[in-house]
Amino acid sequence: DTGVSQDPRHKITKRGQNVTFRCDPISEHNRLYWYRQTLGQGPEFLTYFQNEAQLEKSRLLSDRFSAERPKGSFSTLEIQRTEQGDSAMYLCASSRAGGGESYEQYFGPGTRLTVT
Amino acid sequence: DAKTTQPTSMDCAEGRAANLPCNHSTISGNEYVYWYRQIHSQGPQYIIHGLKNNETNEMASLIITEDRKSSTLILPHATLRDTAVYYCIVRAGFIRGSNSGYALNFGKGTSLLVTP
Repeated sequence: DTGVSQDPRHKITKRGQNVTFRCDPISEHNRLYWYRQTLGQGPEFLTYFQNEAQLEKSRLLSDRFSAERPKGSFSTLEIQRTEQGDSAMYLCASSRAGGGESYEQYFGPGTRLTVT
Repeated sequence: DAKTTQPTSMDCAEGRAANLPCNHSTISGNEYVYWYRQIHSQGPQYIIHGLKNNETNEMASLIITEDRKSSTLILPHATLRDTAVYYCIVRAGFIRGSNSGYALNFGKGTSLLVTP
């Protein structure tokens, strides 16, 4: 079990630039989640995929944010025209899926974004 | 999902049991109680979950009251490495026909400090 990995771990960018983060879930997990965490707060849900289908998005996911999971394996989260308010830790999690059970989510180490 | 209430912070001496309370008085019949923790600068880590019976694993025990309105996470012999923010989360189980991925609503959690 290699766990959930995220790349890069840290990203510093200037306001207005685009950034892209990658998440590799645990290999047998078909659900993948993105969360955002700002200083002093708990993680907040952004979006979720089951296989390659994006099934749920929160109101936090503005039109500058886009997430993909093209082959149902790794996922990318892109932020266009970054703003200082986008500075946060971006967390990815994965879980199994199946009928009749609520499966725990396993989190990666996160990507810390700083927008200057 | 039902709302949870946790103390903002707690202290515990190393080697003693840490008992972390959580109130979830509006929990409904199909909602599970989950506990996660987050050590500084890391992604959240799953600890344990339960529906109505008490649960134990290698990390902790979860005691759920008979009316399910509150629960307690017990770390039987706290170590310095257990210093973290602990999140109690109530989440629905499987809902047939729903696309919901059961996003976790973390709240602010309890900051546990284990002291030597």
